[in-house]
Amino acid sequence: KNQVEQSPQSLIILEGKNCTLQCNYTVSPFSNLRWYKQDTGRGPVSLTIMTFSENTKSNGRYTATLDADTKQSSLHITASQLSDSASYICVVRGMDSSYKLIFGSGTRLLVRP
Amino acid sequence: DAGITQSPRHKVTETGTPVTLRCHQTENHRYMYWYRQDPGHGLRLIHYSYGVKDTDKGEVSDGYSVSRSKTEDFLLTLESATSSQTSVYFCAISPTLAGGKGTQYFGPGTRLLVL
Repeated sequence: KNQVEQSPQSLIILEGKNCTLQCNYTVSPFSNLRWYKQDTGRGPVSLTIMTFSENTKSNGRYTATLDADTKQSSLHITASQLSDSASYICVVRGMDSSYKLIFGSGTRLLVRP
Repeated sequence: DAGITQSPRHKVTETGTPVTLRCHQTENHRYMYWYRQDPGHGLRLIHYSYGVKDTDKGEVSDGYSVSRSKTEDFLLTLESATSSQTSVYFCAISPTLAGGKGTQYFGPGTRLLVL
């Protein structure tokens, strides 16, 4: 069964520190991988989208990396801010369906002052 | 929230009653989706639409039906609500099919409690 596993489930860091969130997937063959940010009580918002041929993509202080060989992705947040407190969701699309996206259950990040 | 509204935002209902959730977009995107989000689970696709009157099932469609009579509106109906349908429901839209490189845009969500 195709799965997307994220770790850690939750994370607390101090404002200004960096952190890295992990995403492991078993979806194969694989088309693209996305990271979303979801604030409490809001819908997810796209941060990055990477195809299988890309190994890094940045969006401001957010940098996503992808290793298609090991089926791992990470989201690195630099110089965290209080507004980074949210859930971060990894989403993978396989080749076998034109519409189906497989969502991870997310990492809940809390940034403390 | 990219020109997407959902109504109601919160609803409490009783088991066995029908419930309809509405998604309205102002972006004129072709594709619309309904997802549910539950603790410990990723978002799961219920139904999606690829045009007016064109809909298809997702992975958790049992107990749900949808309709799309206009480009801008996508309705999700719980025919006879059950406690297992207590969840947060998200509508999403996209100009191209979700599996492509295009981004999906999500609405603010509807929190449904079935007693």
